[in-house]
Amino acid sequence: NAGVTQTPKFQVLKTGQSMTLQCAQDMNHNSMYWYRQDPGMGLRLIYYSASEGTTDKGEVPDGYNVSRLKKQNFLLGLESAAPSQTSVYFCASSNQGRYSNQPQHFGDGTRLSIL
Amino acid sequence: AQSVTQLDSHVSVSEGTPVLLRCNYSSSYSPSLFWYVQHPNKGLQLLLKYTSAATLVKGINGFEAEFKKSETSFHLTKPSAHMSDAAEYFCVVSDLLNAGNNRKLIWGLGTSLAVNP
Repeated sequence: NAGVTQTPKFQVLKTGQSMTLQCAQDMNHNSMYWYRQDPGMGLRLIYYSASEGTTDKGEVPDGYNVSRLKKQNFLLGLESAAPSQTSVYFCASSNQGRYSNQPQHFGDGTRLSIL
Repeated sequence: AQSVTQLDSHVSVSEGTPVLLRCNYSSSYSPSLFWYVQHPNKGLQLLLKYTSAATLVKGINGFEAEFKKSETSFHLTKPSAHMSDAAEYFCVVSDLLNAGNNRKLIWGLGTSLAVNP
């Protein structure tokens, strides 16, 4: 009963390096989300995907890209990492819709440090 | 636009005493509200949700929350705190993302609960 699985759990990068954070869900949810969590700022939405093949910007999309090629996977990319992107990243999934308000299910997070 | 305010950033209680974590929201219509819990270095777990079926909502681990529309509040309570309840608690309201079919969660800044022996 995995739910939402994020890899890696920890990562240290140098400024300018690129990487991809991976997220997989096994609940057949339509929607998937990427958040970042910073002290004193709560959770902020980076990107979301309402269905396979579609993605949209959230509150803080700059410096990130995403892809949703398969329903169960949602990838978050950092093309050129910056120290300001040091954060804890959470992936979530749900069957939320305009008239359906199911809760989001979260992975355990990826702790990313940019030096 | 909807918003969420958690009135206390830190709450400290003794084991066995009641817990009260306060949350106020603003909404132009009847909202959907959630409480999530985050234990240290862990992900976020749903405690309970309100979706207009009943104003008193029971969640996991003995937690409850009462929706009070007149006060725009959704406070989280537990009759007797346990050491394992020490964690960060987030009050969340659901809002529409755009004119389409997706919603977003608007997060409070969290309340850190400490439980003293």
